[in-house]
Parts: sequence; C-alpha cells; structure tokens
Amino acid sequence: IAGITQAPTSQILAAGRRMTLRCTQDMRHNAMYWYRQDLGLGLRLIHYSNTAGTTGKGEVPDGYSVSRANTDDFPLTLASAVPSQTSVYFCASSNSRTDTQYFGPGTRLTVL
Amino acid sequence: AQSVTQLDSQVPVFEEAPVELRCNYSSSVSVYLFWYVQYPNQGLQLLLKYLSGSTLVKGINGFEAEFNKSQTSFHLRKPSVHISDTAEYFCAVSGANTGFQKLVFGTGTRLLVSP
Repeated sequence: IAGITQAPTSQILAAGRRMTLRCTQDMRHNAMYWYRQDLGLGLRLIHYSNTAGTTGKGEVPDGYSVSRANTDDFPLTLASAVPSQTSVYFCASSNSRTDTQYFGPGTRLTVL
Repeated sequence: AQSVTQLDSQVPVFEEAPVELRCNYSSSVSVYLFWYVQYPNQGLQLLLKYLSGSTLVKGINGFEAEFNKSQTSFHLRKPSVHISDTAEYFCAVSGANTGFQKLVFGTGTRLLVSP
C-alpha cells in the first residue's frame, strides 16, 4: 500500500506561472486535505474535500483552487503563482472526523 | 472556531531524560485532540489522539498525553527520550461537532535530543 503520493517532490517556479500539485491516495478515504507549512506558522489548511464532487475552503484559500473528480485524486492549482506561495505543501486524507489523517511526503515549492 | 498554542518553539533535552511538550487549546465546543510528529524531510505521522473516555492517552514510541479539560491542555510526555525522537511535534485540535475532521495545528515544538 503506497498511501499518499505527491508530485512533484520539489519545484522552482517563476512568478505568474500556473502550477498544479498532484495528490493521489490508494486508501479509499472519503476526505482529503491540502495544507501549507511555513516556518513558525505550523500547518494551515488551504482546501478540503469531504467526498468526491465536493470541496470547501480552509483557512488560507486565496490564490489556490482544487477539484475532486474521483475518490483518489485531489489536485491543487495555483493559477498565477506569487512569491508568498513559496512553501511546503502537504496533502492528507482521512475516513472520518475521528480518524487519523495520513499525510503525503510533501512538495517543496519555490516561487521566484 | 478552535485554536492551539504551543508555547515552546524548541525543547533541548539529553538522551534518557524525561520530556514534556506543552499544548493548550481554545474552543467553545467539545474537541478531539491529536499529536503528530514530523521527522526531517517527511510528512506528519500520528502519535496519539484523544476522542473521549480516559484522559490519559498512550501512543506510539512510548509517548503519552493527558487531556485536562479544566486547564484546556493536552501536554505530551515521554519518561525517557532517545536520539531518534529528535523531530518536530505538532498539537492539533478538531471540533467534535463538525461533519468532517477540520484540524487546526499549533506552530510546532522542535525536540532536540543530544547525547
């Protein structure tokens, strides 16, 4: 069982470019999440999805969009990247509100 | 809404010494509480969680935490740490009344274990 995979592992991106971070889980979890991790700020929720076909905004959604066409995939798109979006991005999934959230290995994104 | 405070950004400790990492939360509703660990260049892993019942929760790798509702705390403890426990530890809270698990994380505590 692979769990959660994220791609790419790292990326350097010019400001203004569009970028999609990929996330795939093989645990058939209903819920999926995107977080960004910044030094001194911990992890902050960007967007979430309770089930395929539905998405919601987290704490810091501006500049990001997501889709959930099926159970396994939850891509995060930066339509026009800005330097403040330089961060490490983690995808996670869980099966219920009491369940453990399982995290992917992260994508390190640098926007210049 | 919920919030979490981890007052200690870094905790240095010698190997085999006990350690306590502090976590306080704020919430107007009942909560679920979690501790996650992040080893260098990795994602987060669950150490333990409190959902209900016994206030003393035991997790993996010899860690335990105690839920104290009156003090709104969920401190993490280990009686004897190892070098391999060097990592960043995150406390997180989720409102028990939400339809899904919306975790709010603290800013993290870096545990540095030296020989």
